Amino acid sequence: ETGVTQSPTHLIKTRGQQVTLRCSSQSGHNTVSWYQQALGQGPQFIFQYYREEENGRGNFPPRFSGLQFPNYSSELNVNALELDDSALYLCASSLEGSPLHFGNGTRLTVT
Amino acid sequence: GQNIDQPTEMTATEGAIVQINCTYQTSGFNGLFWYQQHAGEAPTFLSYNVLDGLEEKGRFSSFLSRSKGYSYLLLKELQMKDSASYLCAVRGVYSGAGSYQLTFGKGTKLSVIP
Repeated sequence: ETGVTQSPTHLIKTRGQQVTLRCSSQSGHNTVSWYQQALGQGPQFIFQYYREEENGRGNFPPRFSGLQFPNYSSELNVNALELDDSALYLCASSLEGSPLHFGNGTRLTVT
Repeated sequence: GQNIDQPTEMTATEGAIVQINCTYQTSGFNGLFWYQQHAGEAPTFLSYNVLDGLEEKGRFSSFLSRSKGYSYLLLKELQMKDSASYLCAVRGVYSGAGSYQLTFGKGTKLSVIP
């Protein structure tokens, strides 16, 4: 069984730039969620995708957007990067009602 | 809204037992989860409680009291590899169409010492 994989592992961007993070869900999982984890904090819910539609969103501005593809993989896009966007971005997949399975995350640094 | 509190740090001795508490205030409740996160790694699922009582899984147990908004994670026979952050997370009201949002606490960093 293949777990959740994310790419890239690390990324450095400049304030104002745009970034795309990628996630392949665990085999058989149809729901993908994205979380932002700042240093020393718990993960914060960004949004969730189910059958290619966003069906839940946390308290994040519209410059955070995403996609889910027919194979259930997903992308997180962040426009107009700010210094506070520096964090670990975690992707998690699940099958309805089951516990979330997290990937190892993408460490984003905005300078 | 959701508010989840857990201690920031704890230290315990190898071979001992440690209890990590979590209190929550939520507008809806549909389960409480515990995750373990080693530094630089992904959170991994440990346990799930939706009804009151104790769930045991090997060296790990988790307890829930919904009326008190309280849970704890109990780790027995501590090993050095148990040094990690432990995250308490609450699932809110199920909103359909697979919607599944967790609200996490800030995590408790556990250090196991010889």
